[in-house]
Amino acid sequence: KAGVTQTPRYLIKTRGQQVTLSCSPISGHRSVSWYQQTPGQGLQFLFEYFSETQRNKGNFPGRFSGRQFSNSRSEMNVSTLELGDSALYLCASSLGSDSDTQYFGPGTRLTVL
Amino acid sequence: AQSVTQPDIHITVSEGASLELRCNYSYGATPYLFWYVQSPGQGLQLLLKYFSGDTLVQGIKGFEAEFKRSQSSFNLRKPSVHWSDAAEYFCAVGKGGKLIFGQGTELSVKP
Repeated sequence: KAGVTQTPRYLIKTRGQQVTLSCSPISGHRSVSWYQQTPGQGLQFLFEYFSETQRNKGNFPGRFSGRQFSNSRSEMNVSTLELGDSALYLCASSLGSDSDTQYFGPGTRLTVL
Repeated sequence: AQSVTQPDIHITVSEGASLELRCNYSYGATPYLFWYVQSPGQGLQLLLKYFSGDTLVQGIKGFEAEFKRSQSSFNLRKPSVHWSDAAEYFCAVGKGGKLIFGQGTELSVKP
């Protein structure tokens, strides 16, 4: 099976712009979660989508949003970018129950100038 | 509040030596516990996980971890470290699609 894929792998934006990141889960997985990784804050949970519905949400401002499509692919959007949004954004997919393992993609490196 | 603490930010061990990475957690219910490894520029790879049952869990690459409820700990061990084990290691707690991670421990391996 193909693993979790994320596009693009690298992105450079300027402050105030918006950005959309994409995640394709492992075939058959219905849950997609997003995490932000920075040197200062570490790995932080953004949100999780399951069957096109947001099931869990972390403590991030409303500028961070996401959605999931019927084929389980997910997108994450960040509006009005700030310098502090520079990070590695990781998505993970799983079958969706509590005990299922999350499998991570390689991440999208976002740099905000 | 749910949290994970990895007390050691950076550890250096000699190749062939044993390794123990510490992890303490705070979680209201029965925890699901994980160890992931991240190489530079890569995503996270699962080493092992604990849900229930035997408190000593075997993982990939020769790693094991022991769940100690009384100490709220889930330490990762390896009897003999290889140079390729140099990476960052993350302990996590959670259920379903939401994981809470520790700050990570960077492992360096001396030849």
